[in-house]
Amino acid sequence: EDQVTQSPEALRLQEGESSSLNCSYTVSGLRGLFWYRQDPGKGPEFLFTLYSAGEEKEKERLKATLTKKESFLHITAPKPEDSATYLCAVQAWGSSNTGKLIFGQGTTLQVKP
Amino acid sequence: SQTIHQWPATLVQPVGSPLSLECTVEGTSNPNLYWYRQAAGRGLQLLFYSVGIGQISSEVPQNLSASRPQDRQFILSSKKLLLSDSGFYLCAWSGEGKGRSNYGYTFGSGTRLTVV
Repeated sequence: EDQVTQSPEALRLQEGESSSLNCSYTVSGLRGLFWYRQDPGKGPEFLFTLYSAGEEKEKERLKATLTKKESFLHITAPKPEDSATYLCAVQAWGSSNTGKLIFGQGTTLQVKP
Repeated sequence: SQTIHQWPATLVQPVGSPLSLECTVEGTSNPNLYWYRQAAGRGLQLLFYSVGIGQISSEVPQNLSASRPQDRQFILSSKKLLLSDSGFYLCAWSGEGKGRSNYGYTFGSGTRLTVV
């Protein structure tokens, strides 16, 4: 069964304190791994898509990396406005016609000034 | 550009009452459409998806149903709400499998449903 596990569930950082969020996955043929940001009471907002092991993508203070078993979202020198829940999701090749994504539980990040 | 609209934003309904949540997409045709539910402190659970008009697939047995009466309209319904139906409902669309390269979803703003 395809599965996504994110850790930690919650993370509190001081402004400027860099850290990483983990997304471990089990999928029958990874087609893509997605990272989303979700602010309270709002829909998730797309951040990155990674397709193959070794791939990296960056956006401002965020950098996503991918291995064959997990993905990391690195946050460098975070600011309070980076506080949000970060969701990881995977799509299997078997879902290529439907686009179904399987989501992890999310990591809630709080950055204190 | 493509946009997705979802309403209402907030809804409080008594147990046993009916439900209708609507989602529409603009700026694209023949999208894949999805309904997810997010319980407090939990991840997103896929409820229904549709790859075309009148085509609905259900992921989990439940008290809810979905319909797609038009290409860019997706409706989530219930005849009688249960307390356990409370949650944050999200509609999303993707172009997967339709000749587009925009993998992943674009989400609506969500509906907070509280059943009392």
